Amino acid sequence: SQQGEEDPQALSIQEGENATMNCSYKTSINNLQWYRQNSGRGLVHLILIRSNEREKHSGRLRVTLDTSKKSSSLLITASRAADTASYFCATDTGTASKLTFGTGTRLQVTL
Amino acid sequence: DTAVSQTPKYLVTQMGNDKSIKCEQNLGHDTMYWYKQDSKKFLKIMFSYNNKELIINETVPNRFSPKSPDKAHLNLHINSLELGDSAVYFCASSQGQGFRLPLHFGNGTRLTVT
Repeated sequence: SQQGEEDPQALSIQEGENATMNCSYKTSINNLQWYRQNSGRGLVHLILIRSNEREKHSGRLRVTLDTSKKSSSLLITASRAADTASYFCATDTGTASKLTFGTGTRLQVTL
Repeated sequence: DTAVSQTPKYLVTQMGNDKSIKCEQNLGHDTMYWYKQDSKKFLKIMFSYNNKELIINETVPNRFSPKSPDKAHLNLHINSLELGDSAVYFCASSQGQGFRLPLHFGNGTRLTVT
């Protein structure tokens, strides 16, 4: 079964609004990454947060990590139509040398 | 100047056929992967190679055979294709296996088995 599960599965907002996506995982991690996938394309890395970090920023992106709750959130501020994509969290448990992806959140940003 | 390139982009074939997907990366990475994304967008790792050596084989049917002729290439050959093999297959690469650095993905190969 997958390690991460994103919530919500789908999110529709208007341009300029903020979008928040959550990821929950099951086992202890070394780090957690967020990826974006545009329709018909491969995944693109957005941000990586280590298990000893609680918050990280990159441009309009803000990621938080709560290891006690085994959860992470991705906040996209001032969303744009170009942010329309699926967003995945991925965890590295460090034991099996693999990156396990969640189920994804489909974000739709309308004008 | 594409970093991770896969060919073909689309592959339509009949059950029972054998097909190959090729992947090349020009990032100088030493680790390459094959992931399968199903119709619900669930992404699951299939194989991982580090310096041409198989590191992960994630209980994939032996009809799937990866081959890494060198660090920059990882091909996937599929024998006796089945309907359930229909999916999007992504190649990816990274430097090292520790996942402290991100994966770089190709744009995928959409395989349709009829």
